[in-house]
Amino acid sequence: QSVLTQPPSASGTPGQRVTISCSGSSSNIGSNYVYWYQQLPGTAPKLLIYRNNQRPSGVPDRFSGSKSGTSASLAISGLRSEDEADYYCAAWDDSLSARVFGGGTKLTVL
Amino acid sequence: QVQLQESGPGLVKPSETLSLTCTVSGGSISSYYWSWIRQPPGKGLEWIGYIYYSGSTNYNPSLKSRVTISVDTSKNQFSLKLSSVTAADTAVYYCARDWGVSPPPQPWFDPWGQGTLVTVSS
Repeated sequence: QSVLTQPPSASGTPGQRVTISCSGSSSNIGSNYVYWYQQLPGTAPKLLIYRNNQRPSGVPDRFSGSKSGTSASLAISGLRSEDEADYYCAAWDDSLSARVFGGGTKLTVL
Repeated sequence: QVQLQESGPGLVKPSETLSLTCTVSGGSISSYYWSWIRQPPGKGLEWIGYIYYSGSTNYNPSLKSRVTISVDTSKNQFSLKLSSVTAADTAVYYCARDWGVSPPPQPWFDPWGQGTLVTVSS
C-alpha cells in the first residue's frame, strides 16, 4: 500500500487532455513539494516535474503539474501515443522521514 | 551529459548480502549526492538511500538496519550493500543523481541509470 494514492489507470485519445491525480496527507503533499516521473515501457523513470510545477529542460510544455492542499495533479495536453507510460508522483513524508512514491498510474493512449 | 550504469550479480541467495555498484561517467561524482532506488517487478518505486561524495549518508528508515552505501571517488563509483536479503528484495535497482537533499530531502532524482534486476532465490 503506497503512502501516496494514484489511480491505477488512465486513458485518453490522441490530442485529448488527461489528468492524473495523486492524493496524500498533511505530512507529505500538504507540506512538501511534489515530483512526477514518467516511466516508458522497459525503461528507467525520467523526471517530468519538480517542485510541484517546474519542468526540467527538454520536457515539453504539454506536461504540467499542480498542487492544492493534500493533492496534486499531472496534466498532459495534446496527448500523443508516445505518452503511453507509467506515471509516478513522489514527495517527502515528515512522519515517515522518508521520500515516498505513489503506486503509479498506467496511461493508455487509445 | 552524466550517465549512470549499475552493475553486480543478478542472483543472490536468501540471507546473503546484495552488492551493487553504480559507475558515473560524463562527469565527476564529486560535489553531488547520489541515490539508490528500487522497483519490485510490476510494482512501484522505493527510495533506499543516498550518499554525498564526502561519504555522508541518509537511509530510508524502513531499510536502514540492512543498508550500507559507500563511495569511491577515485573510481567515480558508489555502491550499495543490502544484507539478509529475502524474496521481498527482488527488484530492479536503480542509481540516480540526487538533487533534493536540502532539508527536508526531496525525491528529486535526475538522471537515472538503466537499472539492474536482482533476484533473490536459492
